[in-house]
Amino acid sequence: GAGVSQSPRYKVAKRGQDVALRCDPISGHVSLFWYQQALGQGPEFLTYFQNEAQLDKSGLPSDRFFAERPEGSVSTLKIQRTQQEDSAVYLCASSLRTSGGSTDTQYFGPGTRLTVL
Amino acid sequence: AQSVAQPEDQVNVAEGNPLTVKCTYSVSGNPYLFWYVQYPNRGLQFLLKYITGDNLVKGSYGFEAEFNKSQTSFHLKKPSALVSDSALYFCAVSLRESGGSYIPTFGRGTSLIVHP
Repeated sequence: GAGVSQSPRYKVAKRGQDVALRCDPISGHVSLFWYQQALGQGPEFLTYFQNEAQLDKSGLPSDRFFAERPEGSVSTLKIQRTQQEDSAVYLCASSLRTSGGSTDTQYFGPGTRLTVL
Repeated sequence: AQSVAQPEDQVNVAEGNPLTVKCTYSVSGNPYLFWYVQYPNRGLQFLLKYITGDNLVKGSYGFEAEFNKSQTSFHLKKPSALVSDSALYFCAVSLRESGGSYIPTFGRGTSLIVHP
């Protein structure tokens, strides 16, 4: 079956613009995660959904970051008033069950590379 | 709190030779441990995980890893490297105990370069 898809793959924004990044998880996967990967770093957790419920958003760096998954499938990560430090690859991952990622294999999308000028 | 250290930014190995990519972790309880591989312009791909049981875990593409509790390590190994194994490898840890964080923490990654 299809894997996790993300769009757009590349996004260039001027500082101050709002952006929306989309994630389509694997069909039937309950858990969905967003990560931020800065250049030369490992992924860092942003937020986690179980179906439509956002159970953990402790990794969101500021109130400019907002994520939603209204129907428990597709998710959107929105960044308002983008800043240069927001430049990174944003990864989405999904897993089948509801264990919060502790044991389930997470399947990652290809990521969206955001560049803020 | 949980953390992962990958002490080598880069590992170089000749094709056909054994390879090791090192990972050490720090958690306050019993860990779940993972290895992922990332090819250029692609997302992370799962290689293997340690949950419980046998300390030697076998994964995809001939990779294996050994959980060593006393040394808090989970090194990735392969008996014979291929040029196509050249990629970025990430170790991750997630806390098992209830009340702890179940969200994985990733290391910074190790670039594996296999020379022909």
